[in-house]
This record gives sequence, C-alpha cells and structure tokens, in this order.
Amino acid sequence: AQSVTQLDSQVPVFEEAPVELRCNYSSSVSVYLFWYVQYPNQGLQLLLKYLSGSTLVESINGFEAEFNKSQTSFHLRKPSVHISDTAEYFCAVTPNAGGTSYGKLTFGQGTILTVHP
Amino acid sequence: DGGITQSPKYLFRKEGQNVTLSCEQNLNHDAMYWYRQDPGQGLRLIYYSQIVNDFQKGDIAEGYSVSREKKESFPLTVTSAQKNPTAFYLCASRQGMPDTQYFGPGTRLTVL
Repeated sequence: AQSVTQLDSQVPVFEEAPVELRCNYSSSVSVYLFWYVQYPNQGLQLLLKYLSGSTLVESINGFEAEFNKSQTSFHLRKPSVHISDTAEYFCAVTPNAGGTSYGKLTFGQGTILTVHP
Repeated sequence: DGGITQSPKYLFRKEGQNVTLSCEQNLNHDAMYWYRQDPGQGLRLIYYSQIVNDFQKGDIAEGYSVSREKKESFPLTVTSAQKNPTAFYLCASRQGMPDTQYFGPGTRLTVL
C-alpha cells in the first residue's frame, strides 16, 4: 500500500515570492508521482507528473518538482508566484507495476496556497 | 470537445433518501473512478471500474453503489446507509498506464 503526506496544510506567501509545497510518500514498490491543482469548487487539473527519466519535471506555468528517491519526496516549487496561483494543491502516487493498487491514485491531504498582494 | 461531465453541480437531498450522481466521459477511456473529497482529508477512492460491466470497491465503499453498463457512463448512488454523505464528489477517467487521471468538475452533495 502507498501513503502520501503533505507536510503543510496551508502556505501563505506574498506575490512574486518563491514557494515550496512539500510532499513525502511511502511505498514498498516503485511509483509514479503527480501534482494536481484544484481551484475553488472545481475538479482537479494535472500540474505535472514524474514517470521516469529526469528527476526534475516542469509545468507550463512555471512550477517544477524534483523526485528524490532516497528521501521519498516530490516537493513542488515555483520561484515567483502570482495571485492566480492561489489554489489547493494535491500530491498523489500510483504503483508503476501490477498488483492490487495498480491504476489507483493515493492522494495527500492537500496544501492550500494563498498568494497575497 | 472531449472531457468528463458531472451533473448536477449542486445537489440537495433529505436524510434517508438515495441519490444518484451522474458521470459521463467522451474520452473513450476504459477506467473510471469515483472519489469523495472532505476538507483537510484529500481525496478518498469510493469505487473504480477498469472495464465495462466490472467494478471494484475502493477504500470507502460502504453506503455507496455503482454500475458500469456503458463505457462512457459510471453513475454513483449514495444510499441511505451512508452515514455522512455531505461532501464533494469527483469522477475521473484514465486510459492505459502510465497515464493521467482526468477529473470532472465535481458534484457537491448536501444532505439536510
């Protein structure tokens, strides 16, 4: 089984400041990792994902995340945030091989990012 | 325009009534999922279906039921046996692995 811990439930930050949203996971098998974003009263949208290859993955809107296998982490970073980045962010994992959890996502509790002017 | 639709967006029901939430996708995806979202708890898996006419319980299936008679449809029924049904319900679909789950806009159910 897998578990995901997002270490901060809320992160307030000023506009144009850098931000890091932390995600740690636990799994007995190798996993794929995802970050999703949710705006109020909407569904989740994929922000970025790590499947294989380079451990640093980037999104089109300036976010990046680095997969650290030894620390079982997948922290999300942005060097300069905008008001429009205010949302809730979810880290999720799924096993990358067969088994009872195949195809199922396990989510963290979410981190609410609030960007202040 | 491909995607996942959930209806209605807001739903109100009296305690003790069953209610069915709709989820339709035109992405031609094989797998579909239902999640429940509560503040501070992330998303929890209720039921999922890998193919038509087959589905499995997720982590919190008690008080819920589903059907998968068509590839594009995966309705969720919240029964009167669900002790705390008020929540935001999200439907998702996926095609193949590795691949992304795509989410619908959600239905907010309030039981009075």
